[in-house]
Amino acid sequence: AQSVSQHNHHVILSEAASLELGCNYSYGGTVNLFWYVQYPGQHLQLLLKYFSGDPLVKGIKGFEAEFIKSKFSFNLRKPSVQWSDTAEYFCAVNADNAGNMLTFGGGTRLMVKP
Amino acid sequence: DVKVTQSSRYLVKRTGEKVFLECVQDMDHENMFWYRQDPGLGLRLIYFSYDVKMKEKGDIPEGYSVSREKKERFSLILESASTNQTSMYLCASSSHRTVKYQETQYFGPGTRLLVL
Repeated sequence: AQSVSQHNHHVILSEAASLELGCNYSYGGTVNLFWYVQYPGQHLQLLLKYFSGDPLVKGIKGFEAEFIKSKFSFNLRKPSVQWSDTAEYFCAVNADNAGNMLTFGGGTRLMVKP
Repeated sequence: DVKVTQSSRYLVKRTGEKVFLECVQDMDHENMFWYRQDPGLGLRLIYFSYDVKMKEKGDIPEGYSVSREKKERFSLILESASTNQTSMYLCASSSHRTVKYQETQYFGPGTRLLVL
């Protein structure tokens, strides 16, 4: 079974700092990759996704992620965070042998200090 | 916009009670999912359904069952609630696409269940 690792459990940044959240997965075949975000008190919502093509994908609110197949990674980045980015971020992987199933990482709780 | 609703935001139940969590989606999605979310563990799939009356076990089905009698509704049942089932429960839905299962899941607001 595939697994997804998010090594940073808690990240604290000041506004305008750059952000990179790590995501690694264990499956060697074809994958679809997702980042979801959960703002305090709100639904989990899609930030960005990768299915195929350009490995650098851009999402909402200035976020982007890069799929590096050789490293089994899909790290999330943002050049300059804002206080409103305070949230929990989840990486998720759908492997081509898993049908509709997503495997989620443990989440990274980001706090941005004003 | 896709809307996924869950019947309760907060529930408090006693050990041994039977608990029903309801989820409804309004986008005619074929696929529906139940997850539990625990700190540090992310989301773990309990059960999913890809059609009416169809269900598949996820990663942690023990202690749970599901029901999908109508396309828009997917129910999670705790037959006899236990304290280790205290958690946040999230429902999600997605439409079926034939190409590489390239589907985005849309999530409900969650039900926070406390079992005493």
